[in-house]
Amino acid sequence: NAGVTQTPKFQVLKTGQSMTLQCAQDMNHEYMSWYRQDPGMGLRLIHYSVGAGITDQGEVPNGYNVSRSTTEDFPLRLLSAAPSQTSVYFCASSYGAKNIQYFGAGTRLSVL
Amino acid sequence: GQQLNQSPQSMFIQEGEDVSMNCTSSSIFNTWLWYKQDPGEGPVLLIALYKAGELTSNGRLTAQFGITRKDSFLNISASIPSDVGIYFCAGDNYGQNFVFGPGTRLSVLP
Repeated sequence: NAGVTQTPKFQVLKTGQSMTLQCAQDMNHEYMSWYRQDPGMGLRLIHYSVGAGITDQGEVPNGYNVSRSTTEDFPLRLLSAAPSQTSVYFCASSYGAKNIQYFGAGTRLSVL
Repeated sequence: GQQLNQSPQSMFIQEGEDVSMNCTSSSIFNTWLWYKQDPGEGPVLLIALYKAGELTSNGRLTAQFGITRKDSFLNISASIPSDVGIYFCAGDNYGQNFVFGPGTRLSVLP
């Protein structure tokens, strides 16, 4: 049981480049979410999904797109990377009812 | 939006000492969660609290859901070196409004 898997673990981008951060879970969780973690600011919710085909914005959605075509996968897309998006990104999933979220190991992104 | 405050921001303790940290909010929550994050890893759930006044233990860890529903406390007894890390509280209302605190960084001195 792999849990929540994030790829890549590290990524360096130039300003304006695009990329997709991958997140997959094998626990059949309906709820998935993306957070960014910056020093001294805890985790801030970017986007979340309550099930396949349904997504919604979190606290800091600007500059990011998501889609949820399957229960297992919830990719996060940066269409035009900016230095302000340098951060550590975490994907999480949960059943929803008990609200216990399981986190991936994170993707460390630097935008130059 | 809703914000959580955690105190202390950081703490240095001797191995064997007990640790107390808390989390407060200006808004009420129906669920309080405590996570620990080790360096280079994602947060891992320690304790979940679902009822005001609830006191729950997980080994040497004990957490309480405040009566006002605006705060929560985490205690660690007899600290050991592997307790080092960042402890995050999170408040939630019905699974769609997770809010995380900024974290308490714990260092344990041998």
